[in-house]
Amino acid sequence: QTVVTQEPSLTVSPGGTVTLTCASSTGAVTSGYYPNWFQQKPGQAPRALIYSTSNKHSWTPARFSGSLLGGKAALTLSGVQPEDEAEYYCLLYYGGAQGGVFGGGTKLTVL
Amino acid sequence: QVQLQQSGPGLVKPSQTLSLTCAISGDSVSSNSAAWNWIRQSPSRGLEWLGRTYYRSKWYNDYAVSVKSRITINPDTSKNQFSLQLNSVTPEDTAVYYCARSPLRDGGLNLQHWGQGTLVTVSS
Repeated sequence: QTVVTQEPSLTVSPGGTVTLTCASSTGAVTSGYYPNWFQQKPGQAPRALIYSTSNKHSWTPARFSGSLLGGKAALTLSGVQPEDEAEYYCLLYYGGAQGGVFGGGTKLTVL
Repeated sequence: QVQLQQSGPGLVKPSQTLSLTCAISGDSVSSNSAAWNWIRQSPSRGLEWLGRTYYRSKWYNDYAVSVKSRITINPDTSKNQFSLQLNSVTPEDTAVYYCARSPLRDGGLNLQHWGQGTLVTVSS
């Protein structure tokens, strides 16, 4: 069973920078996994932030960026705002036989 | 503007079939550039992608390994909607279920548009 691993929790100060990562039990994450990142706030459905590693949606704030870092997918928030406090999930694509696997999520606290 | 509206029962008995529907507005279930997904979320399992259906000259389905033996996702072109059926449910299937639309490129998991979510409880 494929497992996608994220940091369970991170804390960042307002205005600071934080990087969340997403690792695969199958090995290094590459662009071929088409990493997606989602933000979820309590009581809401997840909201797409980043697709295909680093592409932003029209609604994605400029302070969010996606990349590959050390064999993992990464989501970096630069100049964190209080409203960025949320749960963040990555989603990797493993092909038609397995489809998509979500990470366990990172709870980001802005303090 | 794509909108997805979910419907279906919030309570299902163990061993029975969970059935949900996702009505689409602003796009077509038969679009050859979109995939129609089901995802669920529970405290114990987190977010779990369940599967998708899409049309590219014919209908295709992809399913998660964890539910492959129990799941069916079907399009309904006459009503422009798609459905989820999950057989032989147990309390472990209790979750909030979401439908979502993704463009059919780059892995097809760019889940841009989401339904409102439906809490389904499996209990006798």
